[in-house]
Amino acid sequence: DAKTTQPNSMESNEEEPVHLPCNHSTISGTDYIHWYRQLPSQGPEYVIHGLTSNVNNRMASLAIAEDRKSSTLILHRATLRDAAVYYCILRGNAGKSTFGDGTTLTVKP
Amino acid sequence: EAQVTQNPRYLITVTGKKLTVTCSQNMNHEYMSWYRQDPGLGLRQIYYSMNVEVTDKGDVPEGYKVSRKEKRNFPLILESPSPNQTSLYFCASSSRTVANGEQYFGPGTRLTVT
Repeated sequence: DAKTTQPNSMESNEEEPVHLPCNHSTISGTDYIHWYRQLPSQGPEYVIHGLTSNVNNRMASLAIAEDRKSSTLILHRATLRDAAVYYCILRGNAGKSTFGDGTTLTVKP
Repeated sequence: EAQVTQNPRYLITVTGKKLTVTCSQNMNHEYMSWYRQDPGLGLRQIYYSMNVEVTDKGDVPEGYKVSRKEKRNFPLILESPSPNQTSLYFCASSSRTVANGEQYFGPGTRLTVT
């Protein structure tokens, strides 16, 4: 199964952009790159996903490398409510879904 | 409101006493999945279901059973729970094609097996 690698933790200042990296060198051609986040005492929450092109939604942007072996989740202006564990996962149509350890984002006021 | 519900939210039980954790979604999703979350181990997939009567093993299926008799429900069954199944469990569902569908997660069930 394709795996993802993320830094254990990152820090950001409030109202500054945050770039969360993810490596997925064994990604297959049909895998989508998904990002979820988990706030304390809650279930994971969908953030964004994409296949090849960069994606934007109201929560974040997803930048996907041309070779698709890495991606970056961009939070344009971090707020204290963005402090969470962020997971980058690959999803194929076979149904398996493997979460890595995620990145714990700390946002400082 | 679109949601995934799980019951119970908290459960303390004893070794060997069969239990079922229910999961229900109201979004008419084909795909449903169960995960467990343990400190330092992240989220690990137990079982998943691509549609009614179609289930498959995830990464950690040992000691668990599932069934998918109806589209909306995907119960997780522990026939003989053991202390190493003490964990936080999440159910999730998604629509459209599996790869291109966002997963919606339930609120979690905290299980303690003594």
